[in-house]
Amino acid sequence: EVQLLESGGGLVQPGGSPRLSCAASGFPFRNYAMGWVRQTPGKGLEWVSTISGSGTSTYYGDSVKGRFTISRDNSKNTLYLQMNSLRAEDTAVYYCAKDLGGSATSWYFDSWGQGTLVTVSS
Amino acid sequence: EIVLTQSPATLSLSPGERATLSCRASQSVSTYLAWYQQKPGQAPRLLIYDASNRATGIPARFSGSGSGTDFTLTISSLEPEDFAVYYCQQRNNWLTFGPGTKVDIK
Repeated sequence: EVQLLESGGGLVQPGGSPRLSCAASGFPFRNYAMGWVRQTPGKGLEWVSTISGSGTSTYYGDSVKGRFTISRDNSKNTLYLQMNSLRAEDTAVYYCAKDLGGSATSWYFDSWGQGTLVTVSS
Repeated sequence: EIVLTQSPATLSLSPGERATLSCRASQSVSTYLAWYQQKPGQAPRLLIYDASNRATGIPARFSGSGSGTDFTLTISSLEPEDFAVYYCQQRNNWLTFGPGTKVDIK
């Protein structure tokens, strides 16, 4: 059974730099692209970032490009999201998600974690 | 950016009824469209990908159709556990999600 467990959320001051983690189990982690999707009541679901299985290719949504960095440690089955220069509008539940595809990134997410809330406020 | 519009915003139906949800894209996404279901306090669940392919474990009462800019998710006969919010997502030009359709009990 696929399990994804996010951590690292909480209350952060504007300009802060938290790092989210996602511990994965139940599937061959290194074989799958992974992503982060965030959700707010106002803006709904928003794709944040995707990383290939090897970690060599990374992709970002326009609203986080240049501020967030996605990475993975395949030896630890863990996905990360380094968030810098946080703004109030980054407040959201952040989900870690597994890509549906295997050898090729499908850009659909077939398994999701339970989410971690990041609140940006002074 | 490709904008997805979903209609209606809310659909009030009774168990056993047929649900038809619409997703329209601001430009063609070919068949690169997925549908997700989300219940309160839970993460989204993938139902349909590439417009018409059911994801693993999804019951046959869920079906998807469409191509280009117009897509439909149909639930042939609503079960009590199907009352939820449904989102569409395109992957033709990066990823964007629609605003969702809430299916609630009439």
